[in-house]
Amino acid sequence: GAGVSQTPSNKVTEKGKYVELRCDPISGHTALYWYRQSLGQGPEFLIYFQGTGAADDSGLPNDRFFAVRPEGSVSTLKIQRTERGDSAVYLCASSLGTSGGQGTQYFGPGTRLTVL
Amino acid sequence: GDSVTQMEGPVTLSEEAFLTINCTYTATGYPSLFWYVQYPGEGLQLLLKATKADDKGSNKGFEATYRKETTSFHLEKGSVQVSDSAVYFCALSGYGGATNKLIFGTGTLLAVQP
Repeated sequence: GAGVSQTPSNKVTEKGKYVELRCDPISGHTALYWYRQSLGQGPEFLIYFQGTGAADDSGLPNDRFFAVRPEGSVSTLKIQRTERGDSAVYLCASSLGTSGGQGTQYFGPGTRLTVL
Repeated sequence: GDSVTQMEGPVTLSEEAFLTINCTYTATGYPSLFWYVQYPGEGLQLLLKATKADDKGSNKGFEATYRKETTSFHLEKGSVQVSDSAVYFCALSGYGGATNKLIFGTGTLLAVQP
């Protein structure tokens, strides 16, 4: 079956602009996660959805970052007033559930965001 | 807070050599532990996992044992291949048995030469 997909694969924007990054999870997966990976680092957690609600948004760096999942499937990560420090690969993952074997997270290919 | 420390790379080995990539963690409670792999040009893939102390995760010839007494989860493979060249990430979930957010190490680049 189809894996996690993310669009666009690459996004170049100018400082101060608004961007939206989209994630399509694996069909039937109730949990969805966003991570950010800077060059040479491991992914850092941003936010986690269980269904439509954000169960844990403790990783969002500031109020310029916001994410939604209105119908419990597709999610959009929104970044306002982008800064050069926001440049990174944004990864999305989904899992069937959150415990035991259902908690295994499957990752998408990522969106590479470059802020000029 | 919870954290993962893994050995810095790059690790360069000849084909058929033995591989060890060290990983230690700091966590409250009883986390689950994971190794993820990122092949060139591809997304992160789960390689193996262990959910409780003394569990051994294994896949594709790789193994790692959850050692609570040393807070470690070292990755090993007896004979590496060129196709194993990738970046390897050790990770934990902050909540025992419930894998919501993952906390990753910085990654270790493995380069296997023929």
